[in-house]
Amino acid sequence: DVKVTQSSRYLVKRTGEKVFLECVQDMDHENMFWYRQDPGLGLRLIYFSYDVKMKEKGDIPEGYSVSREKKERFSLILESASTNQTSMYLCASRIQGATNYGYTFGSGTRLTVV
Amino acid sequence: QQQVKQSPQSLIVQKGGISIINCAYENTAFDYFPWYQQFPGKGPALLIAIRPDVSEKKEGRFTISFNKSAKQFSLHIMDSQPGDSATYFCAASMDNQGGKLIFGQGTELSVKP
Repeated sequence: DVKVTQSSRYLVKRTGEKVFLECVQDMDHENMFWYRQDPGLGLRLIYFSYDVKMKEKGDIPEGYSVSREKKERFSLILESASTNQTSMYLCASRIQGATNYGYTFGSGTRLTVV
Repeated sequence: QQQVKQSPQSLIVQKGGISIINCAYENTAFDYFPWYQQFPGKGPALLIAIRPDVSEKKEGRFTISFNKSAKQFSLHIMDSQPGDSATYFCAASMDNQGGKLIFGQGTELSVKP
């Protein structure tokens, strides 16, 4: 069964900490995405990557960075965590050029910044 | 700005009824409109999708209706079941933007037995 795995289900971090959220996919997908999910706002795109070492800003990149050193792994980095970054973070992947544009999502990481 | 607007935010339907969720978009360059279903503790999963060259697509109890001139599309769930209780997201994307999805705000559907 194909999978997108997010390393942590729940995280609690302190304000100002540097936070790493890890995502690994086993489907050999070229494209990977990070979204955050907040009630009433839906899913908002933070960053995405079309291939290894490539990255593009999404709609809300401020306060975040990403790393894609290997095809299967896409990391989201919160440089200095703040309370307004408390959210559910979802990673997704997709095969390049897929006509159905179907994303495979991970189960999410619920991050609380205190 | 919210490029895809979804309503209602929450919906309660009796078992066997029809659930209807609506979305409106602004950018006429969008060319792909999927719906995702999310159960608690899980990531969203693709449910059904449509392209603007057709006005309706049906898969089992799920139907997308698409109105290009009004820039609106909707999800209809016929004979709604308690197992359909989930959060539903509409989305849109365009080929020349690499197919990245822009999501609506989500609708929490509860189907009462």
